[in-house]
Amino acid sequence: DAKTTQPPSMDCAEGRAANLPCNHSTISGNEYVYWYRQIHSQGPQYIIHGLKNNETNEMASLIITEDRKSSTLILPHATLRDTAVYYCIVRVGGTGNQFYFGTGTSLTVIP
Amino acid sequence: EAGVTQFPSHSVIEKGQTVTLRCDPISGHDNLYWYRRVMGKEIKFLLHFVKESKQDESGMPNNRFLAERTGGTYSTLKVQPAELEDSGVYFCASSQIQGRESEQYFGPGTRLTVT
Repeated sequence: DAKTTQPPSMDCAEGRAANLPCNHSTISGNEYVYWYRQIHSQGPQYIIHGLKNNETNEMASLIITEDRKSSTLILPHATLRDTAVYYCIVRVGGTGNQFYFGTGTSLTVIP
Repeated sequence: EAGVTQFPSHSVIEKGQTVTLRCDPISGHDNLYWYRRVMGKEIKFLLHFVKESKQDESGMPNNRFLAERTGGTYSTLKVQPAELEDSGVYFCASSQIQGRESEQYFGPGTRLTVT
């Protein structure tokens, strides 16, 4: 089951950075942190993933604490189209092929 | 590059009927996954194919659900007979590789309504 804790909802002003926190205090050394989002009525969309180091791509940045017990997804300039449910997922070890989606954070970007 | 496609986008059937959902993965992706979200619940894993072989069926709810992937290309998920609690959104995903460092790309889902 989900090994992460996220706030149920957050608001962010359009154009500002959205910082979405995630706690994963029981993460193991070889488990990756993934972020997906689901915009209403669409399939989950991959955003970014990381193991230890901070990661950045064209969509977002992922900041993982040194002890790996928490992470933050950063959307640098939130737009209205970023309104979605954001899922922080720890990829379980072993076969590691399935994702365990929790309840996520519902982000609302406000004009 | 085309993404994962699913058909139909929406299906409404009566309890006891049969429904078949189809998923076409991204070309070249050997790994195909089925997930579903039933009303008010979280997205849950159903099963994983590697080419035509079932790698992990641990999430399949019962024997009314049958997944196939003949030829290792597209996959079908049949529900027979459908029950009211099967209503929800069924997602398909695919990935090029398997393992902890492989992102999965999801399709738009099929919304199944059983009345």
